[in-house]
Amino acid sequence: DAGVIQSPRHEVTEMGQEVTLRCKPISGHDYLFWYRQTMMRGLELLIYFNNNVPIDDSGMPEDRFSAKMPNASFSTLKIQPSEPRDSAVYFCASRPVSDTQYFGPGTRLTVL
Amino acid sequence: QKEVEQDPGPLSVPEGAIVSLNCTYSNSAFQYFMWYRQYSRKGPELLMYTYSSGNKEDGRFTAQVDKSSKYISLFIRDSQPSDSATYLCALARYSGGGADGLTFGKGTHLIIQP
Repeated sequence: DAGVIQSPRHEVTEMGQEVTLRCKPISGHDYLFWYRQTMMRGLELLIYFNNNVPIDDSGMPEDRFSAKMPNASFSTLKIQPSEPRDSAVYFCASRPVSDTQYFGPGTRLTVL
Repeated sequence: QKEVEQDPGPLSVPEGAIVSLNCTYSNSAFQYFMWYRQYSRKGPELLMYTYSSGNKEDGRFTAQVDKSSKYISLFIRDSQPSDSATYLCALARYSGGGADGLTFGKGTHLIIQP
């Protein structure tokens, strides 16, 4: 299996622009998670899905952030409008039932 | 108080030494305990996973959980330069289908000197 796939790997944008991050989970994994990693706050859970349904979005920082999972093999995390403080590495992870999470390589986002 | 506390280091030890990494947590609802390793500019990679108190061994790695003290440890024997990385403890609650979203420590930066 190719593992969790994320795109793009790097994104540089200007403040106010819309940013869309993409994730393809491992086939057969029912759960999908989005995390954000910064030096100051470490790795933080943003939102997770079970069978394409959002279960816990309490970590989403504000309404500028939204996540969708239209099918079992694809999820997006959108930031609109983006701000410099959104600069971070965004990780997607997936897991099957009763197992632990496997992380993707991350998307490094820089908002100027 | 943060839910999970982990000393960020850096922790520098000579090759071959035994390394001890630790985390403390405050919420007794955590039932799953994991250690991830993260190399620079890479995603976290699972090392150890347990849901009970006691020890779990895998090769040179031993994970130890003490739920009564809310304390978890990772021991690395015969440390190698390739073990140099950031080690993150991760904890989770139970959510029906297994572990919930993970709560991470800040990570300990480990350096193994050749």
